[in-house]
Amino acid sequence: EVQLVQSGAEVKKPGESLMISCKGSGYSFTTYWIGWVRQMPGKGLEWMGIIYPDDSDTRYSPSFQGQVTISADKSISTAYLQWSSLKASDTAIYYCARHGHTAYEVDYWGQGTLVTVSS
Amino acid sequence: QTVVTQEPSLTVSPGGTVTLTCASSTGAVTSGYYPNWFQQKPGQAPRALIYSTSNKHSWTPARFSGSLLGGKAVLTLSGVQPEDEADYYCLLYYGGAQGVFGGGTKLTVL
Repeated sequence: EVQLVQSGAEVKKPGESLMISCKGSGYSFTTYWIGWVRQMPGKGLEWMGIIYPDDSDTRYSPSFQGQVTISADKSISTAYLQWSSLKASDTAIYYCARHGHTAYEVDYWGQGTLVTVSS
Repeated sequence: QTVVTQEPSLTVSPGGTVTLTCASSTGAVTSGYYPNWFQQKPGQAPRALIYSTSNKHSWTPARFSGSLLGGKAVLTLSGVQPEDEADYYCLLYYGGAQGVFGGGTKLTVL
């Protein structure tokens, strides 16, 4: 059974750093793209970027390039989303999603990680 | 900046048929945009329904179908059930496997 299990909710202050994770199981983690999606409170889905764990090829949305870092550790089948300096506007639910062999299809989703940034 | 446009809201009667559309600010949507469709209910993670225009996942109910029509990607729900009330999002891919979601359609079954 394919599963993506994300790390738990986080409460942070502006300016702090953060890394959230997404652990894949039940499939060959290295040969499927995996990506991150943001959903701000009461808003729609936003595609942030994807990574191919086998070689760490990473593609970012222009809206998120330079704002976050997507990485993966294939030895533990885990993808990461990282901020170096959080802003209140980063408050959102972040979902990881498996993107398939060719990056052009999305099938399985993680349960979401709520990140709250508040002073 | 590329914008993907969906109807903000639609209402359909139980048992009816409804069509949701997905348009691109760059022009006609083709199969090369690999349209994906997702359903999201309140408090839940999105669920994938359709990929590459018209392909269903193993869990996608038969009443959901995807196509291209009039330069847009289309999601059709036939024989709508009360449990289909949800937000629906399309996802289009542009150069370099860059994805862009539409703003979402809130579907009310009434």
